[in-house]
Amino acid sequence: DIVLTQSPDSLAVSLGERAAINCKSSQSVLSSSNNKNYLTWYQQKPGQPPKLLIYWASTRESGVPDRFSGSGSGTDFTLTISSLQAEDVAVYYCQQYYSIPWTFGQGTQVEIK
Amino acid sequence: QITLKESGPTLVKPTQTLTLTCTFSGFSLSTSGVGVGWIRQPPGKALEWLALIYWDDDKRYSPSLKSRLTITKDTSKNQVVLTMTNMDPVDTATYYCAHRGPNSGGGAWFDPWGQGTLVTVSS
Repeated sequence: DIVLTQSPDSLAVSLGERAAINCKSSQSVLSSSNNKNYLTWYQQKPGQPPKLLIYWASTRESGVPDRFSGSGSGTDFTLTISSLQAEDVAVYYCQQYYSIPWTFGQGTQVEIK
Repeated sequence: QITLKESGPTLVKPTQTLTLTCTFSGFSLSTSGVGVGWIRQPPGKALEWLALIYWDDDKRYSPSLKSRLTITKDTSKNQVVLTMTNMDPVDTATYYCAHRGPNSGGGAWFDPWGQGTLVTVSS
């Protein structure tokens, strides 16, 4: 199984400041056939289901604010919130869909400092 | 607009079989490329993918749970059913169904998700 390890487990950022969440994969999720990284990011607010933010590691889902961005390749990925807003308080998960079982990271809690 | 909703028992006893139904709208499971998956989340813990069924009735299961899971679809009713046998207290979780993201290559991301249903396993 591919293990995804997120860091940090939690972080507190001031409003308007930058937040960065890392996701490290135990093996590469970059496909040689299409040169795409099979990694996605979700946001989960309390009492709600996860919401898709980013797929193919860096493609923003329609309607997602452009302060959210994804980067990285192979085994190391980052979700960046360029200017944290109050509504961004949530748990963020990465997920790989490169190989079965499709797996999730353990989650990162983002709070306001 | 795509919506999904999970239904089923909120409480099951150990060793019983759990049957969950996902009723969806806004898409057809007979359309090429479409899929519906199940994911669970124990209270306060991370997400775990369980199973997925494709438009052509191809199915994928998490290997660690494959022996206990069955996923089926009823295209005419816009429903997907997940059964999990031999339930144990560690299976207590919120169970979500979700639409497979289009063009997810050979894999699947999920968008959107249902609201989830909490299933407690206790005698």
